[in-house]
Amino acid sequence: EAQVTQNPRYLITVTGKKLTVTCSQNMNHEYMSWYRQDPGLGLRQIYYSMNVEVTDKGDVPEGYKVSRKEKRNFPLILESPSPNQTSLYFCASSYDREKTQYFGPGTRLLVL
Amino acid sequence: AQSVAQPEDQVKVAEGNPLTVKCTYSVSGNPYLFWYVQYPNRGLQFLLKYITGDNLVKGSYGFEAEFNKSQTSFHLKKPSALVSDSALYFCAVRDPGFQKLVFGTGTRLLVSP
Repeated sequence: EAQVTQNPRYLITVTGKKLTVTCSQNMNHEYMSWYRQDPGLGLRQIYYSMNVEVTDKGDVPEGYKVSRKEKRNFPLILESPSPNQTSLYFCASSYDREKTQYFGPGTRLLVL
Repeated sequence: AQSVAQPEDQVKVAEGNPLTVKCTYSVSGNPYLFWYVQYPNRGLQFLLKYITGDNLVKGSYGFEAEFNKSQTSFHLKKPSALVSDSALYFCAVRDPGFQKLVFGTGTRLLVSP
């Protein structure tokens, strides 16, 4: 089944404790992206990647890092999480030419 | 810069009635436009898109959307609403010159029995 998977789905952590949210897609998509969803703000892009080893900042990259060492994986790294990073996070992927992005199920993060 | 506006936080309709969820956009070039739906505790699901061609686009679950270039709108419609259509709906736009998809703030659709 074609899909985007994220792990973990739910995470509670404390300020300053490094964490990684994994994202994987099995559709051989070139383009991958991370978003955060906050009430009243919709989805905002954090980082995106056009292909392996090619990443760029989105609208709200502060406090986040990403890497794209393999085509299928695009982990989101929070080196020192803070409470304002409490949010719902979505990973997405697409064939660049199709433009349609397919989303993972989301990761709900709470930073205490 | 690209932007999307969904002017209604919430839309309420009765089951069986037609529904419209509004979206207006701003891009510098010809837009790529999308509608996504989010059910509770789920990720976003793709409904439909407009890239080029016919202004009336048909999508999943009986939804359709009309692209209106002069009004820069891309309203989502359905002739007869179902209770199961109750969800959060997002409009999104992409400028072909950029790799970013910009989302609206979402509209919550409530369909009453």
